[in-house]
Amino acid sequence: DIQMTQSPSSLSASLGDRVTITCQASQDIRNYLIWYQQKPGKAPKLLIYDASILETGVPSRFSGGGSGTHFTLVISRLQPEDIATYYCQHYDNLPPTFGQGTRVEIK
Amino acid sequence: QVQLVQSGAEVKKPGSSVTVSCKASGGTFNRFGFSWVRQAPGQGLEWMGGIIPVFRSTDYAQKFQDRVSITTDESSTTSYMELSSLRSEDTATYFCARIPPHCSSTTCYYDFWGQGTLVTVSS
Repeated sequence: DIQMTQSPSSLSASLGDRVTITCQASQDIRNYLIWYQQKPGKAPKLLIYDASILETGVPSRFSGGGSGTHFTLVISRLQPEDIATYYCQHYDNLPPTFGQGTRVEIK
Repeated sequence: QVQLVQSGAEVKKPGSSVTVSCKASGGTFNRFGFSWVRQAPGQGLEWMGGIIPVFRSTDYAQKFQDRVSITTDESSTTSYMELSSLRSEDTATYFCARIPPHCSSTTCYYDFWGQGTLVTVSS
């Protein structure tokens, strides 16, 4: 199985800050990378697929990049509603696997 | 707008089975599949398997291969996930999610999710 490693595991940032989360795959997954946002007690929400394509309705302050084994999720200006845990997931082959999550908090 | 509504919370004894349902509304049902993902308390997300009825395709994570069955009803509007031989480690919230219509494999992104069903396994 492909291992997905996110960093950091948690971060604390101020409102308006630029936040970057990274996701490393244990082997080449081309651009088959997804980012989800999950708030406490809620289901995950699709933010980005194919590494960089923003899902309809997701604010433009979210962006994704990378290919191969190294990927990033950037929040350009952190807002209060962005407080959540973010997960990456690959879908290059079976089984799809998730990163361990990055918890984003307000400083 | 697609909505996925799951069945309610369950409490089960070790060794028993549980079936969680996921009913879809909105969209063209027979054109998309369902995936199932679970999340133990305070933990991350774990893919269990998926089904795409139009391709008669079902995939399971090897970890659950012998214990899980994912099906849909004839209209493909409702998916069911049955997990057998339950143990305490299966205590988790189980989510269903939609595999978009253009995806021909269960390895795809999931664009709509159910609200989650808490399954508690306890003697």
